[in-house]
Amino acid sequence: EDKVVQSPLSLVVHEGDTVTLNCSYEVTNFRSLLWYKQEKKAPTFLFMLTSSGIEKKSGRLSSILDKKELFSILNITATQTGDSAVYLCAVDIHNQGGKLIFGQGTELSVKP
Amino acid sequence: AAGVIQSPRHLIKEKRETATLKCYPIPRHDTVYWYQQGPGQDPQFLISFYEKMQSDKGSIPDRFSAQQFSDYHSELNMSSLELGDSALYFCASSLKGYYTDTQYFGPGTRLTVL
Repeated sequence: EDKVVQSPLSLVVHEGDTVTLNCSYEVTNFRSLLWYKQEKKAPTFLFMLTSSGIEKKSGRLSSILDKKELFSILNITATQTGDSAVYLCAVDIHNQGGKLIFGQGTELSVKP
Repeated sequence: AAGVIQSPRHLIKEKRETATLKCYPIPRHDTVYWYQQGPGQDPQFLISFYEKMQSDKGSIPDRFSAQQFSDYHSELNMSSLELGDSALYFCASSLKGYYTDTQYFGPGTRLTVL
């Protein structure tokens, strides 16, 4: 059965800290891995990763994929209170109509 | 930039009633997906459509049906509603490509079944 597992499930840090969120997966016919940020509303797209070892970066956020070890990490540096959200990792599979298989999410709380 | 539009944003129904949720994809997107997210849970895939044809089906109850119309908007029809159907229903859209099927989510419809 296809599976996506995120860790930790929740995390509390202080502003300025750096955090690393983990996502591992076991799926057949992997196509891409996506990271979303969800703040009590719709998931907002962050990154899509298809190739190993190529870092995607957007401001203080960055992500990388390891297709050999079947995991991805999402890094957030110099965290701010506005980074507080649930971060969802999802995997897209070939020939599955594009459905995303989501992990449970990591709930990040950034304290002032 | 235009985003995915969903209506209504909130809906309250009684048990055994029916509900219709609407989704308008990002212009030029050809694929629509429906997800259900219960409280504290990750989104669960229900069904998807590509070029008005159903392309995949997930954990969608038989009481639910959906379709995509010629203008690419989609409707999720839910009948004989149950208390357990209370959830956030997200629609996402994408432009189908080999590597660029990024799904963009709408704001969701919060359905409450009393």
